Amino acid sequence: GAGVSQSPSNKVTEKGKDVELRCDPISGHTALYWYRQRLGQGLEFLIYFQGNSAPDKSGLPSDRFSAERTGESVSTLTIQRTQQEDSAVYLCASGDNPYGYTFGSGTRLTVV
Amino acid sequence: AQSVAQPEDQVNVAEGNPLTVKCTYSVSGNPYLFWYVQYPNRGLQFLLKYITGDNLVKGSYGFEAEFNKSQTSFHLKKPSALVSDSALYFCAVRPQTGSQGNLIFGKGTKLSVKP
Repeated sequence: GAGVSQSPSNKVTEKGKDVELRCDPISGHTALYWYRQRLGQGLEFLIYFQGNSAPDKSGLPSDRFSAERTGESVSTLTIQRTQQEDSAVYLCASGDNPYGYTFGSGTRLTVV
Repeated sequence: AQSVAQPEDQVNVAEGNPLTVKCTYSVSGNPYLFWYVQYPNRGLQFLLKYITGDNLVKGSYGFEAEFNKSQTSFHLKKPSALVSDSALYFCAVRPQTGSQGNLIFGKGTKLSVKP
């Protein structure tokens, strides 16, 4: 597609359950980022993939969070044993150079 | 620590008046600078960027921003605000060195333009 696609757009889950969020980057984009945006807050960096290099995981808030990406394709962000504080919009962005990043519309996660 | 500051949580402007949304940064080297806009329940949309060259950058929807290296600022401006400009604006910085290209975002500034 022409843009970054994220699915699902909305997810409601029970506390303690695992969730998996998906990001389809723009074809050919080597860089992929995950950010978290809590209600009324700015963007919090989670993880960054660049080609086949080791990802920068420095923003992951706990070991319950993990992400994978194979090559320059789809990425999945997994949150295990979800907590209420995980409720947020999770945004994915991709880019093919240092100058431009395209964001998806995000997945709104609500943990009840 | 590298950071981006947007000192105003909210900016209120009357339609037709000029607007400024402030951004300052603290990073090493010469960073790349960006502005994004977020409309309600939407993802972030790119507005403009500064990489090198002319300090005044023009972007989408009539917005522009001025890079000031001595003041480490990158304020967003528009000569005449529209009600439709009401949204959340984020300033972002990508340090040229280290951090493998991570974008560092400010906390955002809510712009409200009244008729």
